[in-house]
Amino acid sequence: GEDVEQSLFLSVREGDSSVINCTYTDSSSTYLYWYKQEPGAGLQLLTYIFSNMDMKQDQRLTVLLNKKDKHLSLRIADTQTGDSAIYFCAESVNTDKLIFGTGTRLQVFP
Amino acid sequence: GAGVSQTPSNKVTEKGKYVELRCDPISGHTALYWYRQSLGQGPEFLIYFQGTGAADDSGLPNDRFFAVRPEGSVSTLKIQRTERGDSAVYLCASSLTGGKNTIYFGEGSWLTVV
Repeated sequence: GEDVEQSLFLSVREGDSSVINCTYTDSSSTYLYWYKQEPGAGLQLLTYIFSNMDMKQDQRLTVLLNKKDKHLSLRIADTQTGDSAIYFCAESVNTDKLIFGTGTRLQVFP
Repeated sequence: GAGVSQTPSNKVTEKGKYVELRCDPISGHTALYWYRQSLGQGPEFLIYFQGTGAADDSGLPNDRFFAVRPEGSVSTLKIQRTERGDSAVYLCASSLTGGKNTIYFGEGSWLTVV
């Protein structure tokens, strides 16, 4: 079945890079996504990658996809306190629904 | 509207009562989704509408849950005979036509069943 797993917590110093990891089980995933959730706010789409790509870069964000190992990562360069939030990895197989991981809480300290 | 709007933002109800949660998607979006997020978990898919019809309702947990979208815009999620385990944030989302189009989420309706 479909399953997406993430580590629960990550703590980094302001200015350092953050790397949030995700593993998924469904090899037929077509798109993989990263969402950000801040307290009291809705889910915000940060970036996504199509399954035939290895890497995507968007300003401070870099997404790496290892399809063989079913591993997805999100790197945030120059992490700021405003990046503190919960980050969700999600996969879509037939694109009409998303399967989310449990989320990684990123804490950025000065 | 500018974004996906959900009402109420918070709802406390007694066990056994009936609840309706409303979602107003972004104007012109034909695809609408409902997700449920329990504390400490990621969102779980409930149902997907394309226009007025439910294209995929495989995530509805049981027959106490029902959703409608009669005119292809506003949607209502209905929960009968609520149980304490139904307590969660119910998230609505919409996208232009579904498929690979970006999905925009609302801020959710926090339901607490006491």
